Amino acid sequence: GAVVSQHPSWVICKSGTSVKIECRSLDFQATTMFWYRQFPKQSLMLMATSNEGSKATYEQGVEKDKFLINHASLTLSTLTVTSAHPEDSSFYICSAPSRPNNYGYTFGSGTRLTVV
Amino acid sequence: DAKTTQPPSMDCAEGRAANLPCNHSTISGNEYVYWYRQIHSQGPQYIIHGLKNNETNEMASLIITEDRKSSTLILPHATLRDTAVYYCIAGGGAQKLVFGQGTRLTINP
Repeated sequence: GAVVSQHPSWVICKSGTSVKIECRSLDFQATTMFWYRQFPKQSLMLMATSNEGSKATYEQGVEKDKFLINHASLTLSTLTVTSAHPEDSSFYICSAPSRPNNYGYTFGSGTRLTVV
Repeated sequence: DAKTTQPPSMDCAEGRAANLPCNHSTISGNEYVYWYRQIHSQGPQYIIHGLKNNETNEMASLIITEDRKSSTLILPHATLRDTAVYYCIAGGGAQKLVFGQGTRLTINP
């Protein structure tokens, strides 16, 4: 079945530093990937849509200069949290459409970011 | 994307069928109904999806009303491992999925 690998699964960083999260589609190509953020006891909030070979599309209220998205190949999208602050601590999850014939979506296992 | 409405929480006894309702009265004709579940601190897991016909797979059954304004996810024989937050989402076509608040299902021994 379709697998999306997300790395790292958890990371702790100091305030002011940047953190990169990778999302890879292992057995299928993904021209589009989606990035979500989830705070404790809340639902997933869509942050942006990552498009291979073009600029990402950000949801309203998401700072594109803070959350840099790069989709350099058909199997890899990265999210970089720049100049991280404690309020950026959250669970970040990526997803990709994985079944071209019936539009299923596969999610990564998530990255727990803690900014200290 | 159509908005969905789900009860915030439900309980079910182990071994019984768990029936999770979802209202999606504004769903458009080309939008699918997707069900995912999320166990604490993990990524959402795909369960099932459908357009207008009822669907069944190894995990669950999906019953969609004829007018497509609501659906029910059925876990036929719930186990303790089915305790999770269940999300019903209307969308698809490789477009973004927007999550609602979901239903926190607790399976009791």
